[in-house]
Amino acid sequence: QVQLVQSGAEVKKPGASVKVSCKASGYTFTSYGISWVRQAPGQGLEWMGWISAYNGNTNYAQKLQGRVTMTTDTSTSTAYMELRSLRSDDTAVYYCARSGMVVAPTYFDYWGQGTLVTVSS
Amino acid sequence: QSALTQPASVSGSPGQSITISCTGTSSDVGGYNYVSWYQQHPGKAPKLMIYDVSNRPSGVSNRFSGSKSGNTASLTISGLQAEDEADYYCSSYTSSSTQVFGGGTKLTVL
Repeated sequence: QVQLVQSGAEVKKPGASVKVSCKASGYTFTSYGISWVRQAPGQGLEWMGWISAYNGNTNYAQKLQGRVTMTTDTSTSTAYMELRSLRSDDTAVYYCARSGMVVAPTYFDYWGQGTLVTVSS
Repeated sequence: QSALTQPASVSGSPGQSITISCTGTSSDVGGYNYVSWYQQHPGKAPKLMIYDVSNRPSGVSNRFSGSKSGNTASLTISGLQAEDEADYYCSSYTSSSTQVFGGGTKLTVL
């Protein structure tokens, strides 16, 4: 069965960086993309960006351009999301989600369990 | 990219039908048949309920259906059940090759 297992909760100080991992199993990793979605406490879902596990192409949400980097390691079927220059409003649960197509983020059919990132001084 | 517009809340009694709307623009909802809907219970990850406007993934009840007209997509839940009480989010592919979510709708089963 398809599973996405994310790394554990993180506490970071403002200005620091965080890197969250998402290990995939149960399907051919390079046949799909991975999107990252975050949810601030009590708020809605926010799409952060997408990476094709096939060729590494990325597309990021405009508001995060320059602060976010998404990568994959096809040897371990793992996707990574690094967010830099953290601010308090980056406090959120971060989800990875398998995207329905390898060439574009059309829908998200399987989700990780979420990783809480807390930014606090 | 502005968020898609959803009603903040809807409610219905068990057995009734409800519809949640999701309004965007010609650059997202109206321009592509790539609208999807997600159900989220408190403290849980979202779950895909509808993709490509009207397709249901395997295992999702046929009480859930999706449609689109112009720049507005809709999710209809028929035969409401207590377990349907949750937050629902729409999402759409955009002309910038990105995704945009709606603000979310809280469904209350009375």
